Amino acid sequence: GQQLNQSPQSMFIQEGEDVSMNCTSSSIFNTWLWYKQDPGEGPVLLIALYKAGELTSNGRLTAQFGITRKDSFLNISASIPSDVGIYFCAGPPEGAQKLVFGQGTRLTINP
Amino acid sequence: NAGVTQTPKFRVLKTGQSMTLLCAQDMNHEYMYWYRQDPGMGLRLIHYSVGEGTTAKGEVPDGYNVSRLKKQNFLLGLESAAPSQTSVYFCASSYGYEQYFGPGTRLTVT
Repeated sequence: GQQLNQSPQSMFIQEGEDVSMNCTSSSIFNTWLWYKQDPGEGPVLLIALYKAGELTSNGRLTAQFGITRKDSFLNISASIPSDVGIYFCAGPPEGAQKLVFGQGTRLTINP
Repeated sequence: NAGVTQTPKFRVLKTGQSMTLLCAQDMNHEYMYWYRQDPGMGLRLIHYSVGEGTTAKGEVPDGYNVSRLKKQNFLLGLESAAPSQTSVYFCASSYGYEQYFGPGTRLTVT
């Protein structure tokens, strides 16, 4: 089936640094979603993107829908300890009412 | 608004036992989903439903059954549990593509 590849798989940064991660697909997606999962909890939706080239912000988080429709990017500015967690990208295969998820990017922050 | 709730939160089963996981949502969403999450594997779709009375297979449906008798509830059943079904199970619901997740059920099969 379709797969989404997230990069990097893990990140170790200092508090206050900016973070960039991306998600790529071999096929076109018309919607990109970004989720965050805290330890022991369910994923929480951060940002939804519906248009190629779209740039959307949610506080210190900014996500972009790649113009090729085969990738998406998530940036976090001025990281803080509560940003720790696993970030997942997701998107619906064409014509399907379901999502495929990337394998996640695990973010660790050193105080 | 409770959103998506799941019961139980934790469960330990012996191989061969059966159980049902319950998911409930109060957002009047048409679509509901069951996922399993294993270390390093991300979220994998087990079964989903596009409306009351409907179910469909996802990526990893073997060993599981589901029912959607009421719009707000989606049940996941394990008829004969196996150690390979040890995992964290998440339910989600949606109106469109944006899915909202429950807190999860941690299941261990010994």
